[in-house]
Amino acid sequence: KAGVTQTPRYLIKTRGQQVTLSCSPISGHRSVSWYQQTPGQGLQFLFEYFSETQRNKGNFPGRFSGRQFSNSRSEMNVSTLELGDSALYLCASSLMQVDNEQFFGPGTRLTVL
Amino acid sequence: KNEVEQSPQNLTAQEGEFITINCSYSVGISALHWLQQHPGGGIVSLFMLSSGKKKHGRLIATINIQEKHSSLHITASHPRDSAVYICAVRSYNTDKLIFGTGTRLQVFP
Repeated sequence: KAGVTQTPRYLIKTRGQQVTLSCSPISGHRSVSWYQQTPGQGLQFLFEYFSETQRNKGNFPGRFSGRQFSNSRSEMNVSTLELGDSALYLCASSLMQVDNEQFFGPGTRLTVL
Repeated sequence: KNEVEQSPQNLTAQEGEFITINCSYSVGISALHWLQQHPGGGIVSLFMLSSGKKKHGRLIATINIQEKHSSLHITASHPRDSAVYICAVRSYNTDKLIFGTGTRLQVFP
């Protein structure tokens, strides 16, 4: 069974641009969560999706958005990039919502110049 | 004060030593997770628990709900256990996952 995949793995953007990151969950998993990891703030929760609905959202500005498709694949978008958005963005999938074991993807490392 | 505190922040051990990493939290929770992150970023879920104790190989996780405290133990540590160990709790009120800052473990042969 293939694991969680994230594309792209590395990305370099400049301030003011926007970016879209993609996450494909493990086959059969219906829940996808997104996290941001930075050296200063550590891991922080961004969003959680289940069956195309956003179940929960972390404390991030409206520039951060996401969605989930009918095949459970998910995308997150960051508009008007700032230097502080440079981070490792991780997604994780689980079979159902809430407290099932989460399987993490390798992450997308975003650098904003 | 962080809602999830881990100690120690850094830990160095010799191969074969017994290791304990602690996690204390201040919110009501529905579950607690222990995660392992290797250099390069990949995260693996080790345990999810809401009460008692779980064991997987050389790893043992315990939780005391009344004291709002969890411990991760590694028996007979090995250099391949070198990683960052992260405690995360699912807040009962907000349903959001809150992470500790992690414990960096280095095990030397």
